[in-house]
Amino acid sequence: RKEVEQDPGPFNVPEGATVAFNCTYSNSASQSFFWYRQDCRKEPKLLMSVYSSGNEDGRFTAQLNRASQYISLLIRDSKLSDSATYLCVVRHTGNQFYFGTGTSLTVIP
Amino acid sequence: DVKVTQSSRYLVKRTGEKVFLECVQDMDHENMFWYRQDPGLGLRLIYFSYDVKMKEKGDIPEGYSVSREKKERFSLILESASTNQTSMYLCASSPGGRENTDTQYFGPGTRLTVL
Repeated sequence: RKEVEQDPGPFNVPEGATVAFNCTYSNSASQSFFWYRQDCRKEPKLLMSVYSSGNEDGRFTAQLNRASQYISLLIRDSKLSDSATYLCVVRHTGNQFYFGTGTSLTVIP
Repeated sequence: DVKVTQSSRYLVKRTGEKVFLECVQDMDHENMFWYRQDPGLGLRLIYFSYDVKMKEKGDIPEGYSVSREKKERFSLILESASTNQTSMYLCASSPGGRENTDTQYFGPGTRLTVL
């Protein structure tokens, strides 16, 4: 079983739409959770960390459900510039990070 | 602003060649990582280092070695390149240490093709 699983998509949504991505992780001892964004042919960049109580950054909301071992990312009022691949990342104890394969989002004018 | 640089953006090598990929970070980070990224497989950890001269195997270390002689530099070595090592190689660093800050900062990647 993979450490981190994501629906690869693609998600094609119109501008202004709300879109949600989910991610599941297999290790209940996982300690830290993140969403990274990767543009085509570019390196991944941190979008936001995910905290137990949930957190919001502008149009982006991240949630963590430890009991069910999943993480979600909600994007409201989608912009064309949101088109990218979104990577779910989990850290167990220690310094090793596990990446999902990514969910592709295209926002259509 | 954290900067992670990699020695080459694109590299073409022949089977059996020894290949060196260099990564340098300028933020005095404790931890450095080498990943490869392949379609459908995502990022997979090859090796990481949490201190100078320290290294730990990741999920796919076979066929690779690493060197960290200085804190800012982490090298990935392919002793004898093979075609199945054709991939995008990404270096990352994170503060680690007492801060235990988890954010990873990535270099621009090296796309390696082995013929």
